[in-house]
Amino acid sequence: ETGVTQTPRHLVMGMTNKKSLKCEQHLGHNAMYWYKQSAKKPLELMFVYNFKEQTENNSVPSRFSPECPNSSHLFLHLHTLQPEDSALYLCASSQEAGEWNEQFFGPGTRLTVL
Amino acid sequence: AQSVSQHNHHVILSEAASLELGCNYSYGGTVNLFWYVQYPGQHLQLLLKYFSGDPLVKGIKGFEAEFIKSKFSFNLRKPSVQWSDTAEYFCAVNAGSGTYKYIFGTGTRLKVLA
Repeated sequence: ETGVTQTPRHLVMGMTNKKSLKCEQHLGHNAMYWYKQSAKKPLELMFVYNFKEQTENNSVPSRFSPECPNSSHLFLHLHTLQPEDSALYLCASSQEAGEWNEQFFGPGTRLTVL
Repeated sequence: AQSVSQHNHHVILSEAASLELGCNYSYGGTVNLFWYVQYPGQHLQLLLKYFSGDPLVKGIKGFEAEFIKSKFSFNLRKPSVQWSDTAEYFCAVNAGSGTYKYIFGTGTRLKVLA
């Protein structure tokens, strides 16, 4: 595998379920990001991890819980979501978190909350 | 708050037509500017970027963008589009000085007719 991979690619869950999204990067990068992409809205940055430390939490509700066990893996744990949380969740990575670094994106997980 | 505006949401062109997609941002300080492209069924990928220096930036596949500081703009151009340029194009801004935050526009869907 090369680049940034995300699993699952599609997820349907009820509001009472608990699920996790997984992201893995094979680029040797040290920063990883979660974005939310909703229809007709800009990509919204959710979380940033730099060298496994969370450096940004963009006022994300606590029903979204990120985890970064190492520089190659990033998880987004989901619980008691709302229908308005349905969106495409994109993971990205960059060499480091900072203004000079190009981000490489994964294919996304299409989440539907019923 | 910082924001990025892409005024053209949908653009339809015939092959060989010239393309210009608008991008305006609101931030008065130093910025780093990006255009990303998402081809159908593929990941977001970097098209070109501007950090400093020559305000006319050349990217992949014949695309270029011009940074006009006085207009807070970073428009994307291509002299002659091809059917394979059909994609969604996103402008992004990173307000330098150590911030990890990228602000994306809502995207412009380009359809090129063969």
